[in-house]
Amino acid sequence: KNQVEQSPQSLIILEGKNCTLQCNYTVSPFSNLRWYKQDTGRGPVSLTIMTFSENTKSNGRYTATLDADTKQSSLHITASQLSDSASYICVVSGSGGSNYKLTFGKGTLLTVNP
Amino acid sequence: KAGVTQTPRYLIKTRGQQVTLSCSPISGHRSVSWYQQTPGQGLQFLFEYFSETQRNKGNFPGRFSGRQFSNSRSEMNVSTLELGDSALYLCASSAGGFPGYEQFFGPGTRLTVL
Repeated sequence: KNQVEQSPQSLIILEGKNCTLQCNYTVSPFSNLRWYKQDTGRGPVSLTIMTFSENTKSNGRYTATLDADTKQSSLHITASQLSDSASYICVVSGSGGSNYKLTFGKGTLLTVNP
Repeated sequence: KAGVTQTPRYLIKTRGQQVTLSCSPISGHRSVSWYQQTPGQGLQFLFEYFSETQRNKGNFPGRFSGRQFSNSRSEMNVSTLELGDSALYLCASSAGGFPGYEQFFGPGTRLTVL
């Protein structure tokens, strides 16, 4: 069964600190993996999209890594800011074309305190 | 460019009623996808429309349907509402067919079924 597990469920850090969120998946075949940021009361915003051949992708202070062999991805946030407080969702797409299957993680709720 | 817009933003219905939600994609985008988000299940994929044709669908009952018009605007309909249909309904648009293109989400429609 295709699954995406995210950890931790929630995380509290102090402003300026770094943190790493984890995403483990069992989706097969694999097409791509996306990380989204969702602020409370708003729609998700895409942070990164990674395909099988990509190991690392950055978007400002956000850096995603992908290990397709172990089926693990991480999202590293550097020098956190209060605005980073949000839910971070990992989504894995299986196969390509119009028959893709999406499997969603439940998200990690990040709180950045001053 | 204007972002993805969804109307209405909030809706209250009673069991057994039907509801229609609307989504206007970013100008030039031909793909519109719909998602349901609940605290318990997280994000779930409903369906994707591309150039007025349903391109892919998730595992939802036939009570959930949609359509896309020639101007790419899309509507989603839920018939015979159940309490469990209470959720945030999100639509997202992309320039080409998902998952090959980045998606941009709207703010969502919060549906409450009483």
